[in-house]
Amino acid sequence: AQSVTQLGSHVSVSEGALVLLRCNYSSSVPPYLFWYVQYPNQGLQLLLKYTSAATLVKGINGFEAEFKKSETSFHLTKPSAHMSDAAEYFCAVTLDSGYSTLTFGKGTMLLVSP
Amino acid sequence: GAVVSQHPSRVICKSGTSVKIECRSLDFQATTMFWYRQFPKKSLMLMATSNEGSKATYEQGVEKDKFLINHASLTLSTLTVTSAHPEDSSFYICSARERRRGWDEQFFGPGTRLTVL
Repeated sequence: AQSVTQLGSHVSVSEGALVLLRCNYSSSVPPYLFWYVQYPNQGLQLLLKYTSAATLVKGINGFEAEFKKSETSFHLTKPSAHMSDAAEYFCAVTLDSGYSTLTFGKGTMLLVSP
Repeated sequence: GAVVSQHPSRVICKSGTSVKIECRSLDFQATTMFWYRQFPKKSLMLMATSNEGSKATYEQGVEKDKFLINHASLTLSTLTVTSAHPEDSSFYICSARERRRGWDEQFFGPGTRLTVL
């Protein structure tokens, strides 16, 4: 079975600072990994996905994530935080390209201060 | 990208009543839709997988008689919470899978906030 662990339920950064949201996965086979963002009272929006191509994945809104097999990690980064980045971020994993079953992490709330 | 809508966005009902939530794929056909439940400050929990024209597959621990799912067409799936109770209050999110060449994409609806009084 696959799982993801997001370290830190809350991350606080200042506007303009580096954003780093951590995600570690557990999987017996090469996984497909995703980052989603959720704004209050809204559904999930896909930020980026890793599908076994390039290990450095670029997504929307300036976010990127790097798949590191040796560390079983898929951390999300953004060089400079913007106030509009404040939201809940979820890491997710699946084992099949049809991704019938997405397993989500518990989420990390990103707080951005002026 | 593809758009998935949910209706209603919010609903308040009395205990014992039933509530129907609709999930529609607006610009693509979705043979598979998923229903998730999200508790406050918690992750999404997959409740069931809905396949067009067949019975839904429920995750362990989800009462299929309480959470009725119908996927009558390629663009519509419904979740009916029967005899709702306060503990059913939650944020329900659906997603629809679009089959694309070489890859399936899953798109999420905006969610429905259910409050049972």
